[in-house]
Amino acid sequence: SSELTQDPAVSVALGQTVRITCQGDSLRSYYASWYQQKPGQAPVLVIYGKNNRPSGIPDRFSGSSSGNTASLTITGAQAEDEADYYCNSRDSSGNSRVFGGGTKLTVL
Amino acid sequence: QVQLVQSGAEVKKPGASVKVSCKASGYTFTSYGISWVRQAPGQGLEWMGWISAYNGNTNYAQKLQGRVTMTTDTSTSTAYMELRSLRSDDTAVYYCASTGSGWEFDYWGQGTLVTVSS
Repeated sequence: SSELTQDPAVSVALGQTVRITCQGDSLRSYYASWYQQKPGQAPVLVIYGKNNRPSGIPDRFSGSSSGNTASLTITGAQAEDEADYYCNSRDSSGNSRVFGGGTKLTVL
Repeated sequence: QVQLVQSGAEVKKPGASVKVSCKASGYTFTSYGISWVRQAPGQGLEWMGWISAYNGNTNYAQKLQGRVTMTTDTSTSTAYMELRSLRSDDTAVYYCASTGSGWEFDYWGQGTLVTVSS
């Protein structure tokens, strides 16, 4: 089991807003980064740090954190956002990194 | 543009070793670390470890300690990941990723499928 917990699956209607969450004790002290992975492709960084988007990532993607929960919000979800999303942060020891189990996002 | 190009697919027998390479271009290799991440078929991402391309410091996932070695060759801007005593549950796609100062995995290689089968 992962030290970062994600809901296995989430769905959103086209154009609506969806929040994908990641829970873990380490998130009280450290930021999460978020990765999008489409079938057969390598992951892509979408959010890192407090709320930073790499070049080329649409501004409908945003990140936030509160207590032991980090969130990735997609405002106005598009069909191309359908993918698996993974969070990553430090583990509870603070010495290593760990991924959440991933959330499969379906855009209806 | 930043590119990480990995070596090709491998098929290994249980107990053997595999060494995967990751050649970087488009940035100053020694300015970033390289992390290795693997993904078993139909499963999620697993962080394996990290190496500083600047000084060779490493940080390995506890479950792989003793079986994994990460190295770099700064003359060719290439990172390597060697995994020994392979088991069937090591069958996975192995990715390298450049790692920024905030531990974000900025750019990813295309992945290398390692199949462990007798």
